Amino acid sequence: GNSVTQMEGPVTLSEEAFLTINCTYTATGYPSLFWYVQYPGEGLQLLLKATKADDKGSNKGFEATYRKETTSFHLEKGSVQVSDSAVYFCALDTQGGSEKLVFGKGTKLTVNP
Amino acid sequence: SQTIHQWPATLVQPVGSPLSLECTVEGTSNPNLYWYRQAAGRGLQLLFYSVGIGQISSEVPQNLSASRPQDRQFILSSKKLLLSDSGFYLCAWTGGDRNSYEQYFGPGTRLTVT
Repeated sequence: GNSVTQMEGPVTLSEEAFLTINCTYTATGYPSLFWYVQYPGEGLQLLLKATKADDKGSNKGFEATYRKETTSFHLEKGSVQVSDSAVYFCALDTQGGSEKLVFGKGTKLTVNP
Repeated sequence: SQTIHQWPATLVQPVGSPLSLECTVEGTSNPNLYWYRQAAGRGLQLLFYSVGIGQISSEVPQNLSASRPQDRQFILSSKKLLLSDSGFYLCAWTGGDRNSYEQYFGPGTRLTVT
């Protein structure tokens, strides 16, 4: 079946550090891949997406590349800020008509000044 | 532009009491709608989804139910709440083009069952 595996958190970094949050997936067919961010007390926001192999999604300094050969979609940012502190979820769409998303368990990021 | 609303924002209810959470979407028609629960320190659990009025699919057995009385209205209910129903409830709708099905989330309802 379809599944998403994210690195276990929490992740604590200092401001301006480099961020990587690993995400690998198992899926039939060719899913689209997403990263969502959840700030404290809020709903999820779409951060970036990629719809086919080798696509790179980017937004707000974050990037992730759809790697079909390694079934991965790792999230990266070159220099994190305190305002990036949030929970990050990797997800894929199952397609096939129901349009459901399968989410990873989330990775909590804390950035200290 | 499309917006999604949920209310109430927070709710404290005793065990055994009923529940009704409401979600409405504006600026789109015939959306797919979803209810998720996020328990403390855990990921998202899909509870229900709906592809149209009166069409509800349940993902997990539980004492919750969902209804879609109007195209852009999605309601989550319970006749008798359990302690384990506490959590953060999120409503979402599907947007995007036919090549991807990203979901857009409401602000959530924080439910505490005491």
